[in-house]
Amino acid sequence: DTGVSQNPRHKITKRGQNVTFRCDPISEHNRLYWYRQTLGQGPEFLTYFQNEAQLEKSRLLSDRFSAERPKGSFSTLEIQRTEQGDSAMYLCASGRRTGPTDTQYFGPGTRLTVL
Amino acid sequence: KNEVEQSPQNLTAQEGEFITINCSYSVGISALHWLQQHPGGGIVSLFMLSSGKKKHGRLIATINIQEKHSSLHITASHPRDSAVYICAVLPPTSGTYKYIFGTGTRLKVLA
Repeated sequence: DTGVSQNPRHKITKRGQNVTFRCDPISEHNRLYWYRQTLGQGPEFLTYFQNEAQLEKSRLLSDRFSAERPKGSFSTLEIQRTEQGDSAMYLCASGRRTGPTDTQYFGPGTRLTVL
Repeated sequence: KNEVEQSPQNLTAQEGEFITINCSYSVGISALHWLQQHPGGGIVSLFMLSSGKKKHGRLIATINIQEKHSSLHITASHPRDSAVYICAVLPPTSGTYKYIFGTGTRLKVLA
C-alpha cells in the first residue's frame, strides 16, 4: 500500500454513460498525476496538478475528459459520453520533490470497461 | 520507435534463476524508475535511480547514463516475483515531472 487510494477499483459502464473516478493522494504531496494504461502497454500521461492548479494536459485528454482537484487534496477524473476506446486502467500518482526530480507513488488504479 | 524500450517483452524462468530485464531510452533523463505491476493492476515503486546501482533484498538495479541503459536483476527468483516490470524515465524538465513509460516486461517464475 503506497498511501494513494483510488475509487472505484473497477467500473463497468455502457457506452454513452458518464463516469467519475476519485484519487486520494498522500496528504503532504502537492503534485498529482493521472495516467492511462491500455492492455499490454505502459501507462501514458494524461494530466498533472500542482496543488489545485491543473498545469498540463496531454492531447490524449479529449474534451470528454475533465479533471479537477478543487482543494488541492483529492482529485476526480470524469469521462463524459464514454466510448469503448476509453476502456483502460486509470492510474493516479502523487508526487513529492526529491532533490532535482520527483518521486511518484501510484495508486491501485481504476479499471474501466465500456460495453 | 518508443523513447523507452524494454527487453524482453515476456520472460519465463524457473524458480531460483537469475533474471535480468533491460531498459534502453533515447531521451535525456533526470531519473529512471523501476516499477512492479501485479495482475490486479496496482503499481509499486521498486527503485529510482539517477546513477550507479541500488540493491534491495534480491533486487538490484543499475544504470549507465552514458549508454542510456538500465538493468533490473532478480536473484534467486521466486514465483511471487511474477509480475510486469515497467521502466519509466523522467526527462529533465523544469515543469511537469511526467514519466515516459516502457511497455513492460511480463515475468513468470515457475515453481
